[in-house]
Amino acid sequence: DAMVIQNPRYQVTQFGKPVTLSCSQTLNHNVMYWYQQKSSQAPKLLFHYYDKDFNNEADTPDNFQSRRPNTSFCFLDIRSPGLGDAAMYLCATSPEIGGGEQYFGPGTRLTVT
Amino acid sequence: GENVEQHPSTLSVQEGDSAVIKCTYSDSASNYFPWYKQELGKGPQLIIDIRSNVGEKKDQRIAVTLNKTAKHFSLHITETQPEDSAVYFCAASKRNRDDKIIFGKGTRLHILP
Repeated sequence: DAMVIQNPRYQVTQFGKPVTLSCSQTLNHNVMYWYQQKSSQAPKLLFHYYDKDFNNEADTPDNFQSRRPNTSFCFLDIRSPGLGDAAMYLCATSPEIGGGEQYFGPGTRLTVT
Repeated sequence: GENVEQHPSTLSVQEGDSAVIKCTYSDSASNYFPWYKQELGKGPQLIIDIRSNVGEKKDQRIAVTLNKTAKHFSLHITETQPEDSAVYFCAASKRNRDDKIIFGKGTRLHILP
C-alpha cells in the first residue's frame, strides 16, 4: 500500500543533543511537509518542500532544519533540542502545491530529557 | 491571513446518535475545506473534503455542508459508532502555490456506550 512512513515512532533525546527524524513516502508526491503538534493542539506547519524548493514558515525557529535528498525521503533535524521542542512531529505529503489534500504519516513522538 | 474557528471543542454523543461539528473561516478566497480525523497516537487522516463549487458532499455516514455566503462549513456524522471517537480538525485553504491549509483547533468527539 502507498503510504507515508516515519521513523522512529518514539525518540528520546537529551537537552541540547541533536536529533534527526525521518520520513519516507511511496506515494511519489511532489510536496512534503513537516508539522509540529503539541498536546491538544492543531498541527503547526514548520516547513515544506515542493520538489527541491524549500519553504520555511516565518515563525519556525532556526533550531529546526530540513533536508530532502530525493522525492521519497525528507528529514527533520533539530540542532539543539529544548524542553519546549517535545512534541509529536508529523510528516505529510501532497500531490500538489498550495493547500490541497494532505496525507499524514503516523508521527514521531519526541521526548526531551 | 485566514483564520478558522471550530466548535465545539469537546462533544459527547450517545452511540447511534448524530454528531455535528461546525467551522467558520475568514478569507472569502478560501475554496477547499478538508476534514481530518486523528485517533490517539496516530497522524491525522483525511476523511472528507469539499470544494467551494458544491454545497454538500456525502460519503456513507459522514457528510460535509458548505455555506459560502456565511463562510461556514460543518461535518455531520450519523449513526455514530465507538470507532468514531477521535479528534476532528477542519481546515481551509485557497489551493494556490503560496498557500497552506489552516487548521481549526479541533473537536474531541466521545461516543458514549
